[in-house]
Amino acid sequence: GAVVSQHPSWVICKSGTSVKIECRSLDFQATTMFWYRQFPKQSLMLMATSNEGSKATYEQGVEKDKFLINHASLTLSTLTVTSAHPEDSSFYICSANRAGYYQPQHFGDGTRLSIL
Amino acid sequence: DAKTTQPPSMDCAEGRAANLPCNHSTISGNEYVYWYRQIHSQGPQYIIHGLKNNETNEMASLIITEDRKSSTLILPHATLRDTAVYYCIAGMYSGGGADGLTFGKGTHLIIQP
Repeated sequence: GAVVSQHPSWVICKSGTSVKIECRSLDFQATTMFWYRQFPKQSLMLMATSNEGSKATYEQGVEKDKFLINHASLTLSTLTVTSAHPEDSSFYICSANRAGYYQPQHFGDGTRLSIL
Repeated sequence: DAKTTQPPSMDCAEGRAANLPCNHSTISGNEYVYWYRQIHSQGPQYIIHGLKNNETNEMASLIITEDRKSSTLILPHATLRDTAVYYCIAGMYSGGGADGLTFGKGTHLIIQP
């Protein structure tokens, strides 16, 4: 079946540093990938849609200069949290789906980001 | 995406069938119903999806009412590893491609030994 891989799975950084998270589709090409964020005891919230070869589309309230998304190939999207602060600490999850209508999205195992 | 309503929590005895309801009364004709589950500290796992016919795969069965306003996910023989938050989502596609998913609060299913 479809597999989506995320790296790293856990990262702890000092406040002010930038952190890059990678999302890869391992056995299919994905023109569109999605980034979600989940705070403790809350549900997943869509942050942005990552489109291969074009700019990402951000949900309302998500700062595009804070969360940089690059989708340079059909199997890789990256999310960079710039100048991270403690309030950015969260569980970040990506997803992708095979081409074709109504194919389900498959999720990575998430990246737990802790900013000290 | 159509809004969905699920009970916040449910218990089920190990080995019994777990039946998880979902209400999606505002679903439109071209919106599918998708079920995912999330085990603590992991990404959501796809379970099953359907449009209007009942569906079955190796994980579960999906029963969709004829008017499509509600559905039930059935885990036929629940095990302790099925303890998770289960999300019912209606929608996902529009126009030219996939949309991001709108997650509700889901149902926390607890399988009791």
